[in-house]
Formats: sequence, C-alpha cells, structure tokens
Amino acid sequence: AQTVTQSQPEMSVQEAETVTLSCTYDTSESNYYLFWYKQPPSRQMILVIRQEAYKQQNATENRFSVNFQKAAKSFSLKISDSQLGDTAMYFCAFMNQRGSEKLVFGKGTKLTVNP
Amino acid sequence: GAVVSQHPSWVICKSGTSVKIECRSLDFQATTMFWYRQFPKQSLMLMATSNEGSKATYEQGVEKDKFLINHASLTLSTLTVTSAHPEDSSFYICSALGVSVLETQYFGPGTRLLVL
Repeated sequence: AQTVTQSQPEMSVQEAETVTLSCTYDTSESNYYLFWYKQPPSRQMILVIRQEAYKQQNATENRFSVNFQKAAKSFSLKISDSQLGDTAMYFCAFMNQRGSEKLVFGKGTKLTVNP
Repeated sequence: GAVVSQHPSWVICKSGTSVKIECRSLDFQATTMFWYRQFPKQSLMLMATSNEGSKATYEQGVEKDKFLINHASLTLSTLTVTSAHPEDSSFYICSALGVSVLETQYFGPGTRLLVL
C-alpha cells in the first residue's frame, strides 16, 4: 500500500520570503501522479500543482514549484515570494496511474505567512 | 479550471433524520466521484468511490447502509446520511475525476453537517 509522509506539522514564513514543504512517499509502482493541494480556512481544497512521475522536469505554477526526486521518493513544494493568502493547510497526495484512482493523502502541513 | 459544486454548504438536523448532500461537476463529465470526511485539524478520510451507473465502493469501516451514495449521472453524485446521529457531525467533501481534466481530482467546497 502507498503511504505519504509530511514530516512538518507546522511551518511559518515571512511575507515575500521562500519556504519549502517536505513530502516523501512509498510505492512500488513506476507510473503515478503526485499532487499538492491547499486548504485555506474556508476549507475548500484547491489544486496547487501536479506532477506525472514519468516526467523528469519539475512542475511549476507561477510562484509554486516542486522538487521531484523519483529515486528518493521525495516531492517537496517550494513557495516563492510568499503571500498572506498562502496561509493554509497543504496536503501532499499520491495517485496510481492505473487501477485505483484513490488519492492517498499525507497528514498535512499548516503554513502560516506572517506580515 | 474544473469546477465542482456541493449543496448544501451548511446543514443542521435533528438526530434520527436523514440528510442528502449533492455533488455536481459543472464543466466536465466525472467518470468517478469520491466522498471524504474530514475531522478538525486532520487529513481527508476517503469514505467511498462511486462510478456513474454502478454501486459505490466503500472503504473499510464505513457503513454502507448509513451513508448511501448514488451516482445518477456523469455530473451528479449524492450522499445521504441516514438516521443521523451526533457522531455523524463532520465536514463532508466530494471530489470528481474525469478524463478531460487530466486525471486530477477536483474538490467541492464541502458541507458542514451538525446533528443535534
């Protein structure tokens, strides 16, 4: 069974600075997807970024980028130029490319951006 | 981006009554929909997976007779909490998955259920 581990329950960063959230996972599959979702205080789950395992290039979405290390099974999220609106819970998630399409979530990291 | 709606956003009911929550994919066809439950300060817990026109698949420990799921069309799934009790009070979230949205789950805004 796949597992996703987020080792940082809480983090904080100053506005305009950069922060990196860690995520590791365990799987025997070779084809899969990895995601970062954000859950602000409204509790709406919002897709931040998505990575296909077969792609070597790290995904980037504006201020958000990932460092995907397939051999190390590591998938960290870097947020540049942090903004107050980035304050949220961040969940790392794994999904097989075939068969079950369930998302396996980590326990989340609570990120606070301070003014 | 893909949009998923959920209704109602807030519901308060008396113990013993049933509550229905709707989940709709607004701009794409959802081949699969998922229902989650989330306790305060915790991650999402998958309750069941539903495919259009077939019976839902429930996760271990989830009572299928209490949480009835119907996936009537490619854009609508409903979760009915039957004979609700205070311990069913929680935040329920649906998500939808469709081929046209690059195999990514998009989430509804959630429903807060309070059973008195």
